[in-house]
Amino acid sequence: QSALTQPASVSGSPGQSITISCTGTSSDVGGYNYVSWYQLHPGKVPKLMIYDVSHRPSGVSNRLSGSKSGNTASLTISGLQAEDEADYYCSSYTSSNIWVFGGGTKLTVL
Amino acid sequence: QVQLQESGPGLVKPSETLSLTCTVSGGSISDYQWNWIRQPPGKGLEWIGYIYDSGSTNYNPSLKSRITMSADTSKNQFSLKLSSMTAADTAVYYCARNSQSSFFSLGHWGQGTLVTVSS
Repeated sequence: QSALTQPASVSGSPGQSITISCTGTSSDVGGYNYVSWYQLHPGKVPKLMIYDVSHRPSGVSNRLSGSKSGNTASLTISGLQAEDEADYYCSSYTSSNIWVFGGGTKLTVL
Repeated sequence: QVQLQESGPGLVKPSETLSLTCTVSGGSISDYQWNWIRQPPGKGLEWIGYIYDSGSTNYNPSLKSRITMSADTSKNQFSLKLSSMTAADTAVYYCARNSQSSFFSLGHWGQGTLVTVSS
């Protein structure tokens, strides 16, 4: 099972919006509404930001939103803030009954 | 709030078996799925597998031949053994629990522990 494809990096200025894509296949992203997004800050515990494509856990800012079209899922962060600077990983359940992650995207707030 | 903490050796010799333990506090290991994930330096995350308190497991096929997971409900811990370690297994190893909201996402993670494979 191949890793999901994410851009290596994205950047934006404070207040702007950015979108991170996560492309898979019909056996994972396209086949199930079980895409999650995680935020990894160095030295911090990884944090679940979006589950089941578009749902936010309690406590996660409503500036974050998730969506999916075909085999590509997306994470959008609006009103960028300095605290959003981190690495973001998507994940999907697959038809092989395993989970696969993306390669990660480094978000830089300029 | 449930908390997870990985423990184990930071250095393993090539061909040896890695043993890691995840200690769960603030909740029981019953009724949830307990996962291991790793991240090699400079690379992405890789799902290793999960175990239930019942002992039922599901492993990543790419690592299946080398993995053994176990759970100890009396200690509220679960463990990972990865045999025949090579330099390619050098990584930060995380334990995690699936979310209350969705079986298919990981809502609680440990801090991670760096394991280096070197002689």
